[in-house]
Amino acid sequence: QKEVEQDPGPLSVPEGAIVSLNCTYSNSAFQYFMWYRQYSRKGPELLMYTYSSGNKEDGRFTAQVDKSSKYISLFIRDSQPSDSATYLCAMRRTGFQKLVFGTGTRLLVSP
Amino acid sequence: EAQVTQNPRYLITVTGKKLTVTCSQNMNHEYMSWYRQDPGLGLRQIYYSMNVEATDKGDVPEGYKVSRKEKRNFPLILESPSPNQTSLYFCASSLSRAEREYFGPGTRLTVT
Repeated sequence: QKEVEQDPGPLSVPEGAIVSLNCTYSNSAFQYFMWYRQYSRKGPELLMYTYSSGNKEDGRFTAQVDKSSKYISLFIRDSQPSDSATYLCAMRRTGFQKLVFGTGTRLLVSP
Repeated sequence: EAQVTQNPRYLITVTGKKLTVTCSQNMNHEYMSWYRQDPGLGLRQIYYSMNVEATDKGDVPEGYKVSRKEKRNFPLILESPSPNQTSLYFCASSLSRAEREYFGPGTRLTVT
């Protein structure tokens, strides 16, 4: 079993939809949770960075962490065609540099 | 502009021919890492470096070497490349252990 599970998609939505992207994990020691966006032929770029449980909002993006369920989510409101990309979740244990990544979910937002 | 650069961006080579992929960052970051990205497997860490002359293995270090002689540079060396090392490679850096990682643009390597 992988430490981090993520549905590869693709997830296709119309412009303006609310998008929900999710990851589950098995290691309860993870404390730092991240979402990266990766456009085709580009490196991942950090979207959201959260510590422990709770919600964090940044513009149209909201990250949620539920440590009791070992489940994290990224919500995108009013999705745009420019949001079409692969979204990677990643997590890290306290005191460790190594990130453990999900395999990524490909999102397609159609105009 | 703060960035991580990698060269080359694309490389096709043959089995056994030594190659080096360079990585450089201009942000004075202590931590640098190399990842490979493969379909269905996601990003996996190859090696990381905590500072100059301090490197350690990640999840998939076999067949790779690294060095960190200067803070800004972290080259990835494949002494004898094999076809199973065909992949997309990313270099990343961060200010310290718990800080966000900045990724380079990637190097697509094909070994025939």
